[in-house]
Amino acid sequence: NAGVTQTPKFRVLKTGQSMTLLCAQDMNHEYMYWYRQDPGMGLRLIHYSVGEGTTAKGEVPDGYNVSRLKKQNFLLGLESAAPSQTSVYFCASRQGIPSEKLFFGSGTQLSVL
Amino acid sequence: GQNIDQPTEMTATEGAIVQINCTYQTSGFNGLFWYQQHAGEAPTFLSYNVLDGLEEKGRFSSFLSRSKGYSYLLLKELQMKDSASYLCAVRDSNYQLIWGAGTKLIIKP
Repeated sequence: NAGVTQTPKFRVLKTGQSMTLLCAQDMNHEYMYWYRQDPGMGLRLIHYSVGEGTTAKGEVPDGYNVSRLKKQNFLLGLESAAPSQTSVYFCASRQGIPSEKLFFGSGTQLSVL
Repeated sequence: GQNIDQPTEMTATEGAIVQINCTYQTSGFNGLFWYQQHAGEAPTFLSYNVLDGLEEKGRFSSFLSRSKGYSYLLLKELQMKDSASYLCAVRDSNYQLIWGAGTKLIIKP
């Protein structure tokens, strides 16, 4: 049982380049999330999805887009990368019960030069 | 605004007990979570509190006081592998998680 799988693990971009981060979960979870983690700050929610075909903005959505075409996949896109988007990105998922814990992917270290 | 406060860093000795505090001010409350995050790894779930009181799970316990906006994570019989960051997160009235910056716990032999 793989859980939540994120790809790639590391990426270096030049300013203005685009890329897509892929998150896949095999637990049939309804809810999926994209967070960024920066030093000295708590995890910040970028976008989330409450089910296949749905997406919603989180706390810091600017500069990012997402898609959830299939229940098991949640894609995070950066259309024109900026140095401020240098961060560690985590995908997470959970079932629909509010008390349910989050399952996290292993993270993507992104550097934008 | 919404705010979660935790100490930035704590040091403790192997075999000892440590208490990591978390205070919160959020718009509504629908549960508090503690996660453990080893350096370079993903956060993993430790505990969940929604009612006042103590929840015990092996060497780890978590306490909640909703009236005081306060929680703590208690780690007993510390082991070197407990060196990690501990993240406090509160689910607000919109069922979104608000995260603290985490407490880095250093265990010394």
